[in-house]
Amino acid sequence: DVKVTQSSRYLVKRTGEKVFLECVQDMDHENMFWYRQDPGLGLRLIYFSYDVKMKEKGDIPEGYSVSREKKERFSLILESASTNQTSMYLCASSFGREAEKLFFGSGTQLSVL
Amino acid sequence: GQNIDQPTEMTATEGAIVQINCTYQTSGFNGLFWYQQHAGEAPTFLSYNVLDGLEEKGRFSSFLSRSKGYSYLLLKELQMKDSASYLCAALDSNYQLIWGAGTKLIIKP
Repeated sequence: DVKVTQSSRYLVKRTGEKVFLECVQDMDHENMFWYRQDPGLGLRLIYFSYDVKMKEKGDIPEGYSVSREKKERFSLILESASTNQTSMYLCASSFGREAEKLFFGSGTQLSVL
Repeated sequence: GQNIDQPTEMTATEGAIVQINCTYQTSGFNGLFWYQQHAGEAPTFLSYNVLDGLEEKGRFSSFLSRSKGYSYLLLKELQMKDSASYLCAALDSNYQLIWGAGTKLIIKP
């Protein structure tokens, strides 16, 4: 079965801390994505990557960075966590660049205090 | 701007039929996805439509009208396990997904 694994289900961090969210997929997918999901809003794309060492900004990249050193791993970094970054973070992957369905991880609920 | 609209919440009875509507406005269009998300879980793919018409997949069907910018997800013979949020997402001309806020479906016995 296809699997996207996010390293933490729940995280609690302090304002100003550097936070790493890890995502690993085992499907040899080219594309990986980071979204945040907030109540009453659609999924918002933070960053995505179509290849190793490649990254593209999504709709809300401010305050975030990413790293993709290996094809299967895509990390989201909050350089200095702020309370408005409290959210559910979802990682996803897909095979092709066009109309391909996404496979999602179970999410990381991040609380920044 | 680009926009997806779907109802925030719907309630239906076990065994019944429910239709969840989605309207979209995008810069170009390359298809529409429906995903199901149970509380606390990952969204999972349900359907993809790019041509007008109805596509049936077991108890679930998805319809698209490109001229009207409209889609619906039809769930038949509702079961308690269908209680979930249903996310509509349209693919724009750059193959970027535009997501609706999701419809929370509550099934009552």
